[in-house]
Amino acid sequence: EPEVTQTPSHQVTQMGQEVILRCVPISNHLYFYWYRQILGQKVEFLVSFYNNEISEKSEIFDDQFSVERPDGSNFTLKIRSTKLEDSAMYFCASSGTGHSNQPQHFGDGTRLSIL
Amino acid sequence: SQQGEEDPQALSIQEGENATMNCSYKTSINNLQWYRQNSGRGLVHLILIRSNEREKHSGRLRVTLDTSKKSSSLLITASRAADTASYFCATYVIQGAQKLVFGQGTRLTINP
Repeated sequence: EPEVTQTPSHQVTQMGQEVILRCVPISNHLYFYWYRQILGQKVEFLVSFYNNEISEKSEIFDDQFSVERPDGSNFTLKIRSTKLEDSAMYFCASSGTGHSNQPQHFGDGTRLSIL
Repeated sequence: SQQGEEDPQALSIQEGENATMNCSYKTSINNLQWYRQNSGRGLVHLILIRSNEREKHSGRLRVTLDTSKKSSSLLITASRAADTASYFCATYVIQGAQKLVFGQGTRLTINP
């Protein structure tokens, strides 16, 4: 069964450094998402992406965050200057049509640790 | 803001028993979905129930939805050790937003 894959599984970065989290969505999906989960807290929406542009973003997704689909398969989340509070699990998801009656398929996440 | 809130936060039962988890939300929804998360893994979609549905079944899962009370329940029958995981409800707003809004989750432990 096709799945969403994320790399790396764990990223340790010094505060202030840039980090790029990578995702390969399911190949025929058109809508892509990033969520994060701070340890012990609920999963929070960051951004949705369709047709090479952001379709929705949350308050968390400030100017330090950006997303890109550099080629036909990868979907990346960049944090420009990391802060301690960016430490979390980051999940990528994709869906076929973006219709709300379609489930979103999640990767296993990247654990980001900011030192 | 719209939120799904699950209760209980943690549930521990014996293998073979049924597990019931509840979710409440605040605003109108298009549908409500349940996801499972095994420790250290991503979220796995379990079942979706639309706002015009009252009950839905999938294998050992039974989901109910009461839009008048803005609540949903997930029942897992004949639980197994492999059902040990966190379970989250998630909702879409009606107005076409694409983001899922997750609740805090219920941590389910099945004791052999």
